[in-house]
Amino acid sequence: EIVMTQSPATLSVSPGERATLSCRASQSVSSNLAWYQQKPGQAPRLLIFGASTRATGIPARFSGSGSGTEFTLTISSLQSEDFAVYYCQQYNKWPPSFTFGPGTKVDIK
Amino acid sequence: EVQLVESGGGLVQPGGSLRLSCAASGFIFGTYAMSWVRQAPGKGLKWVSSLSGSGTSTYYADSVKGQFTISRDNSKNTLYLQMNSLRAEDTAVYYCARANYDTLTGYYIDYWGQGTLVTVSS
Repeated sequence: EIVMTQSPATLSVSPGERATLSCRASQSVSSNLAWYQQKPGQAPRLLIFGASTRATGIPARFSGSGSGTEFTLTISSLQSEDFAVYYCQQYNKWPPSFTFGPGTKVDIK
Repeated sequence: EVQLVESGGGLVQPGGSLRLSCAASGFIFGTYAMSWVRQAPGKGLKWVSSLSGSGTSTYYADSVKGQFTISRDNSKNTLYLQMNSLRAEDTAVYYCARANYDTLTGYYIDYWGQGTLVTVSS
């Protein structure tokens, strides 16, 4: 069973600053990695899939990188609407099963 | 516009049953695998179950295997989750989600419903 970890648990950032979130897999997941944003009381929203492909409508300030076991989500210049919890997720070619990381909360410094 | 609307959540006693529904619109429902993901209060996301587009292949997390049953009615564009023998630890918001397929990397969740809360308590 693949275990996903994320660091830090909480990241305090000022608006306009860069945020770097990390995600690690216990074994290689190739590029089968997605990132989601979740705001309080809302459903998650897909940001990135395939480790680095932005989903439709996601602003260019969000970027993903990495492969194998180490991944990064970078928000280049934090906007007020970006303060949220971010989850990474490993997925498979088959079957459609998913493993999520514990999340990183990005809050206002 | 893709829409997923869950219903059927509520308060149920330990040992009871509940069936969740998810009405889908805005896409060709029968061509997509679908999933359920849950989130306990204040906790992270946990995958529960997935179902192929045809409905012939089902997959479950170990924690719900034998307890939950996923199904779909493609004529009604609806996904279901039958939950039996419910326990307090099944208390969560249950999200219906569409699993899209990327030829390079595989299945990933691209759309989520707003969720329905299931509370298991006496």
